[in-house]
Amino acid sequence: DAKTTQPTSMDCAEGRAANLPCNHSTISGNEYVYWYRQIHSQGPQYIIHGLKNNETNEMASLIITEDRKSSTLILPHATLRDTAVYYCIVRVWGGTSYGKLTFGQGTILTVHP
Amino acid sequence: DGGITQSPKYLFRKEGQNVTLSCEQNLNHDAMYWYRQDPGQGLRLIYYSQIVNDFQKGDIAEGYSVSREKKESFPLTVTSAQKNPTAFYLCASSMEDRGWNNEQFFGPGTRLTVL
Repeated sequence: DAKTTQPTSMDCAEGRAANLPCNHSTISGNEYVYWYRQIHSQGPQYIIHGLKNNETNEMASLIITEDRKSSTLILPHATLRDTAVYYCIVRVWGGTSYGKLTFGQGTILTVHP
Repeated sequence: DGGITQSPKYLFRKEGQNVTLSCEQNLNHDAMYWYRQDPGQGLRLIYYSQIVNDFQKGDIAEGYSVSREKKESFPLTVTSAQKNPTAFYLCASSMEDRGWNNEQFFGPGTRLTVL
């Protein structure tokens, strides 16, 4: 699976949009971009994933650049409960690494009042 | 409620003892996974199972063993051969391992401390 690069930490004011970048410059054509988050001492929670089109669900939006070498997770109105570690993961669909999620160190997002 | 349960939440063991961590899911998922997380680090895959009575080693399987006798259950045994067993252990499951929409659902984790 392609390696991802994320900033170590970010801050955001409550009510503002949080934009979390991820670089995956070596991504292959059959690799998806997944985002998970982990609140302290809990299991990770799936947020969203996409291949090349922008995606939106009830939690967040995922913007993938046209060349697919980077993406941005957008939390439109961050709350204090969004404080967590956010992981950007690139994985193959249907490849030999079935089910494997390769977690990096992620971005620590801190939402301030 | 559907979900994944792991027990216990905290577990203490003496060095040299084997210990088994429980993972149960009632989501009717085919695939199940075990990850290990060390402080300040991401998750690393220990073992995974795509179907009952079958499982595969992940990236750090040495010192661990698993079984998958039932679809709902995927217990992990941390043996005395595991050199650094103290960690946060997370179990996960997904509907169908090769599907494009196979998000993984995680349990609450078990924090194992070996004294």
